[in-house]
Amino acid sequence: DGGITQSPKYLFRKEGQNVTLSCEQNLNHDAMYWYRQDPGQGLRLIYYSQIVNDFQKGDIAEGYSVSREKKESFPLTVTSAQKNPTAFYLCASSFQGNQPQHFGDGTRLSIL
Amino acid sequence: DQQVKQNSPSLSVQEGRISILNCDYTNSMFDYFLWYKKYPAEGPTFLISISSIKDKNEDGRFTVFLNKSAKHLSLHIVPSQPGDSAVYFCAARTTMKTSYDKVIFGPGTSLSVIP
Repeated sequence: DGGITQSPKYLFRKEGQNVTLSCEQNLNHDAMYWYRQDPGQGLRLIYYSQIVNDFQKGDIAEGYSVSREKKESFPLTVTSAQKNPTAFYLCASSFQGNQPQHFGDGTRLSIL
Repeated sequence: DQQVKQNSPSLSVQEGRISILNCDYTNSMFDYFLWYKKYPAEGPTFLISISSIKDKNEDGRFTVFLNKSAKHLSLHIVPSQPGDSAVYFCAARTTMKTSYDKVIFGPGTSLSVIP
């Protein structure tokens, strides 16, 4: 089955620690995205990548980093510089152009 | 400053009746609109979209209406079913730029369909 897989589903981070959220897709999509969802707010874009080896900052990129070494994979690292990392993180992918995004089931990150 | 607004955080509807979810936007450059549906602990799934060259798009029980002059769109679900209970996100983007322009999501409306 084609789809987007995010792992882990739940993740706990200690203060001062970096953590990496995985996102893999087998839909042959060119573009991939990371969003953050907080209660009562819409999805806010952290980073996006239109092609391999290229990515752009979204609205709230501070404290996060990404890489896009393979078309299928777009991992997100939440660094210790992100002061309020507790949130629900969603990865998405799409074909180029005017195409809807397909989402993974998310990773919930909490601080210990 | 929210460019996409969904002013009703929640909505309850009887099974079989019509559900109407509303969405307002402020950016007149938006020309493509989408609705996503999200169940708890899952990612959003695409439901229906509409381009600004249309004022209505229908897909089964789901119809989206667009009023460009009012910068308003609505999603109608008829008849509503208990399985429609979910959070619905309105989203908008502009397709006119040559480079990628991001999709802007509203805060969502939680729909409960009561059996």
